[in-house]
Amino acid sequence: DAGVTQSPTHLIKTRGQHVTLRCSPISGHKSVSWYQQVLGQGPQFIFQYYEKEERGRGNFPDRFSARQFPNYSSELNVNALLLGDSALYLCASSPGLAGEEASTDTQYFGPGTRLTVL
Amino acid sequence: QKEVEQNSGPLSVPEGAIASLNCTYSDRGSQSFFWYRQYSGKSPELIMFIYSNGDKEDGRFTAQLNKASQYVSLLIRDSQPSDSATYLCAVRGGGATNKLIFGTGTLLAVQP
Repeated sequence: DAGVTQSPTHLIKTRGQHVTLRCSPISGHKSVSWYQQVLGQGPQFIFQYYEKEERGRGNFPDRFSARQFPNYSSELNVNALLLGDSALYLCASSPGLAGEEASTDTQYFGPGTRLTVL
Repeated sequence: QKEVEQNSGPLSVPEGAIASLNCTYSDRGSQSFFWYRQYSGKSPELIMFIYSNGDKEDGRFTAQLNKASQYVSLLIRDSQPSDSATYLCAVRGGGATNKLIFGTGTLLAVQP
């Protein structure tokens, strides 16, 4: 089975521009999460979607937005890019287990999109 | 205090030795814990997860969880140079969001 796919792999933008990153989850997974990883740090949670609904949002400005489509793929949008937005953007997919099964809901990461803002 | 803390390393071990990676977390309500391996320039790759106190073994890897001490560790037996990578500890946050809270990672270097 195909794993999580992300596009594009690399992206170079200038300050003030906007960017759209795309993610397709593992077949059968209904939840997609987005993370930002800057050099030398662990991934930071941005958003989580399940069945097209936002399930959670991390401490990121309103310039960051996301959505999930009926086929469970997802887009992350970032407006008014800043130099500090340069990072590896990771998409993770999981079944989206809840309740008593939530402890075993495991996230699998895609290859990431490397965004450079000049 | 950071929510998830790891020693950044580098942790250097000789080939064939046991590598021990440690992680502490602050939220006592945390229920599940994950170890990811990340090679330089690549995305995190799941090694294993644990949610019950005690040990969980998978091949050369053993995860250990002590909820009373808010401590989780990963042991790698018979370390190989190919194990050289950054190891990320992640804790699942509480509530409806299954978000992961990551430590900064420990760089492991296995010397041939």
